[in-house]
Amino acid sequence: SQQGEEDPQALSIQEGENATMNCSYKTSINNLQWYRQNSGRGLVHLILIRSNEREKHSGRLRVTLDTSKKSSSLLITASRAADTASYFCATDAQGGSEKLVFGKGTKLTVNP
Amino acid sequence: GAVVSQHPSWVICKSGTSVKIECRSLDFQATTMFWYRQFPKQSLMLMATSNEGSKATYEQGVEKDKFLINHASLTLSTLTVTSAHPEDSSFYICSARVGFSANYGYTFGSGTRLTVV
Repeated sequence: SQQGEEDPQALSIQEGENATMNCSYKTSINNLQWYRQNSGRGLVHLILIRSNEREKHSGRLRVTLDTSKKSSSLLITASRAADTASYFCATDAQGGSEKLVFGKGTKLTVNP
Repeated sequence: GAVVSQHPSWVICKSGTSVKIECRSLDFQATTMFWYRQFPKQSLMLMATSNEGSKATYEQGVEKDKFLINHASLTLSTLTVTSAHPEDSSFYICSARVGFSANYGYTFGSGTRLTVV
């Protein structure tokens, strides 16, 4: 079943602009992760934020987590054409099952 | 970094035949691997959890006799799609977590595009 729900489903911006994607989930989590997928390829792990963290940075990526609202956001600053991809949030639910449950994803297009 | 190697990257097979997909952890041991299925423009759906030395755990609605999973060693898990039909055409991806803590992300294979004709 889908846990995370991203919005928007699709986002088109110009190079240099910032891109913000949001994710909501339903159950208590150990952590929330963001992944990137280029068309027809596997997923690349971008960043993991633990349930006791509120914000995390990695290069041009900034992730926030609000456990009270069960939501997270991924901000990509100064976007590049190479950032064009689909972005998924995934939750690692409490209970130790190790299963990742993915959201529906946001298709980001960065126009040069 | 940790790498999961998945083969083949694409395969075309005839209806009724079986196809085997392999996932290997190259520089770490993976006691658990996960198999996902992804339809075009959709998200990943977990099919099963592959456990080294024991039976796989299948998600609800996934036919275990249709999708055979074998995890015979700490570095290799295989998914066999048996008696494939056109509706089995999809993108299949495996993953494993590096480390035992919930603080680690997962490493994914590059995926296998299966087309059944």
